[in-house]
Amino acid sequence: KNEVEQSPQNLTAQEGEFITINCSYSVGISALHWLQQHPGGGIVSLFMLSSGKKKHGRLIATINIQEKHSSLHITASHPRDSAVYICAVGNTGNQFYFGTGTSLTVIP
Amino acid sequence: KAGVTQTPRYLIKTRGQQVTLSCSPISGHRSVSWYQQTPGQGLQFLFEYFSETQRNKGNFPGRFSGRQFSNSRSEMNVSTLELGDSALYLCASSLRHGLAFFGQGTRLTVV
Repeated sequence: KNEVEQSPQNLTAQEGEFITINCSYSVGISALHWLQQHPGGGIVSLFMLSSGKKKHGRLIATINIQEKHSSLHITASHPRDSAVYICAVGNTGNQFYFGTGTSLTVIP
Repeated sequence: KAGVTQTPRYLIKTRGQQVTLSCSPISGHRSVSWYQQTPGQGLQFLFEYFSETQRNKGNFPGRFSGRQFSNSRSEMNVSTLELGDSALYLCASSLRHGLAFFGQGTRLTVV
């Protein structure tokens, strides 16, 4: 069993749609991260969460510690949002575990 | 402020050889962590260094090793390369701990 499960694996949306990517984890965590990876490999850290909700522009990340679940929402999606989104958790022992990623394609 | 710099960007090695990859963190960052990314396994944590000490290690064989220098630059070494070591190797730097800033990665191909 993977420590971090992400869904969906692939997602295609029309420009302007509201998008949700889900992440469930099984380890005790110190923090959860949402990462964005564009073709070519570069990774950008979007959010680090240990509780509640964070918002940055059109992106919103939430976490429910009791349910061990996090969501990443993209409002008014745009083709430039096309990327792979990866959920990562840092456990209480300072190890990191990664989801397999969600490949998002936003069609104009 | 310069970002995280990884060198080289691309590398081709032969089975059995060894390789050293370098990561220069953002100035002032003391934590450097390393990751392996493959199509089959996704991202996997290799190890983390903080102030020249290995703070944590993932589940990789002893052929994978690393170190951190007093200027926080870090190197990772893979000895006796295997075909399965072909991957994108990423490092990340942060002030204390975490996945704050990533380098562009080194793409290693073992033939």
